Amino acid sequence: AQSVTQLGSHVSVSEGALVLLRCNYSSSVPPYLFWYVQYPNQGLQLLLKYTTGATLVKGINGFEAEFKKSETSFHLTKPSAHMSDAAEYFCAVTGSGYSTLTFGKGTMLLVSP
Amino acid sequence: EPEVTQTPSHQVTQMGQEVILRCVPISNHLYFYWYRQILGQKVEFLVSFYNNEISEKSEIFDDQFSVERPDGSNFTLKIRSTKLEDSAMYFCASMRQGLKVATNEKLFFGSGTQLSVL
Repeated sequence: AQSVTQLGSHVSVSEGALVLLRCNYSSSVPPYLFWYVQYPNQGLQLLLKYTTGATLVKGINGFEAEFKKSETSFHLTKPSAHMSDAAEYFCAVTGSGYSTLTFGKGTMLLVSP
Repeated sequence: EPEVTQTPSHQVTQMGQEVILRCVPISNHLYFYWYRQILGQKVEFLVSFYNNEISEKSEIFDDQFSVERPDGSNFTLKIRSTKLEDSAMYFCASMRQGLKVATNEKLFFGSGTQLSVL
């Protein structure tokens, strides 16, 4: 069984500041980890994913995430927030033997000028 | 980029009524999914569909729910007799291959149908 915990339902940053969205997972099998973003009135879009190999994964729009097995974490970061980054971000996990995703509750990122 | 299309964007219905949520997956995709998100809660898996049959379903997907691919392009979710607790945003998704098969595949989501049961 798998689960995902996203710390903080809302995160507020200033434009230009570091973005850090936290995700911790539990999985009984080696996990595949994902970050999705949802802009208002749009569907979920894949930002990045970790399956195997390099633990630092780069995604679209300057986001990256690092898989840390010892900490069971997959935190999402971006060095400098932009107003257009304001959206809801979802962390998700699946095991290599599964075909469905288990999502976290989501974190709303608010970016102020 | 190709898109998954869902209609309607909003659906309001009375408790006990049947609703059909419609999705047009990306044309060369083979795996189809429904997820839902109750307000303030996690996005939850409902069902996956491949080769014209359900491949997996969650405990949420009880006898009140059914899925169908009636014409090779549409993928529908039917709720036979809606309950208040069915109010949620329902997301359709599709993939060319399943996550089990290939790790380089991307799951494409539609923009969702907001179902409100009164």
